[in-house]
Amino acid sequence: DGGITQSPKYLFRKEGQNVTLSCEQNLNHDAMYWYRQDPGQGLRLIYYSQIVNDFQKGDIAEGYSVSREKKESFPLTVTSAQKNPTAFYLCASSSPGLVNEQFFGPGTRLTVL
Amino acid sequence: SQELEQSPQSLIVQEGKNLTINCTSSKTLYGLYWYKQKYGEGLIFLMMLQKGGEEKSHEKITAKLDEKKQQSSLHITASQPSHAGIYLCGAVVLYGNKLVFGAGTILRVKS
Repeated sequence: DGGITQSPKYLFRKEGQNVTLSCEQNLNHDAMYWYRQDPGQGLRLIYYSQIVNDFQKGDIAEGYSVSREKKESFPLTVTSAQKNPTAFYLCASSSPGLVNEQFFGPGTRLTVL
Repeated sequence: SQELEQSPQSLIVQEGKNLTINCTSSKTLYGLYWYKQKYGEGLIFLMMLQKGGEEKSHEKITAKLDEKKQQSSLHITASQPSHAGIYLCGAVVLYGNKLVFGAGTILRVKS
């Protein structure tokens, strides 16, 4: 079955540690996205990539980094520079173009202790 | 920047009742997505509207786009417990190939 996988489902880290969230898709989509979701705030775009080896900052990129070395993979690193990293992180992918549906993964809940 | 406001923020309805959720944009809408989310899970695509006046239905859920009002509405007929969840609207940003989302509407259905 085609889809998007995110791992792990739950992640706990100590303050000051970097952590990498995994996102893999087998939908053959060119575009991939990372969102952060906080209670009452909906989804906010962190980074997006429209093609391999290229990515752009979203609205809240500070304290995060990404790479896009393979079409099917778009890992997100939450660095120690992110002041409030505890949140629910969602990865999505789509075919290129404005009007193509974004398919979402199941999400990773990151808690920084 | 474009912003989406959803109303109401939350609502509780009795099973079998109808309800409407609104999504209002601060700028012209070029495309509007509706998604549903169960708490702690990913988003499930419901439908996408592109043209003013366009109306789409999926089972008991109907969505309509009013370009003049820069607004979309989602209507659920004869609500069921399976309709419970968070409903999010997402608008296409004209330049950048990305979406901006509303804060979501939490729906609870009492049986």
